[in-house]
Amino acid sequence: GAGVSQSPSNKVTEKGKDVELRCDPISGHTALYWYRQRLGQGLEFLIYFQGNSAPDKSGLPSDRFSAERTGESVSTLTIQRTQQEDSAVYLCASSSIAGVSYEQYFGPGTRLTVT
Amino acid sequence: TQLLEQSPQFLSIQEGENLTVYCNSSSVFSSLQWYRQEPGEGPVLLVTVVTGGEVKKLKRLTFQFGDARKDSSLHITAAQPGDTGLYLCAGEAGNEKLTFGTGTRLTIIP
Repeated sequence: GAGVSQSPSNKVTEKGKDVELRCDPISGHTALYWYRQRLGQGLEFLIYFQGNSAPDKSGLPSDRFSAERTGESVSTLTIQRTQQEDSAVYLCASSSIAGVSYEQYFGPGTRLTVT
Repeated sequence: TQLLEQSPQFLSIQEGENLTVYCNSSSVFSSLQWYRQEPGEGPVLLVTVVTGGEVKKLKRLTFQFGDARKDSSLHITAAQPGDTGLYLCAGEAGNEKLTFGTGTRLTIIP
């Protein structure tokens, strides 16, 4: 694939259930980022991967949020015991450290609605 | 904590008018990027500026990086409805991570 892909595109879940969001970065991009975007707002940083390690998890809002990356490719963001405040679009981006100034390429996002 | 404040937060103008969006910080950045996001999509990179005082043009869009590399501006000439979207600036401070601005939501009225 040419770009960053995310799945599912939309997810509706009941409060208290766990959800798993997937990101497939651009092939060869070693850096991967997760952001949260609430309706009408800007981007809130969640976590950053360089390869399979996560040097910066500072944006994860609570211990209900976790993320992993395997094989320097796919990443999953897991939200346990979802709350209504978790409703947002979750965006993934990838970047090549060989590129210019860590320019990020974004996927279309996963719209999560917690009812 | 590095913060990037964008102004205005919202802007609605008539087609054909000119506009400027500002991105300001008290921090110095190694580079600064501008993205545009349309509804239902992820942000798309428009430009990266690296050198203090640098000016880059992309058709009707002109981007400038401040001399001290703490601020940037985006000027659009003869705005068109296709320019509608959320404009985000993002600064990189050498830590492999971008700090995104608060965003400017631009609406061009036909």
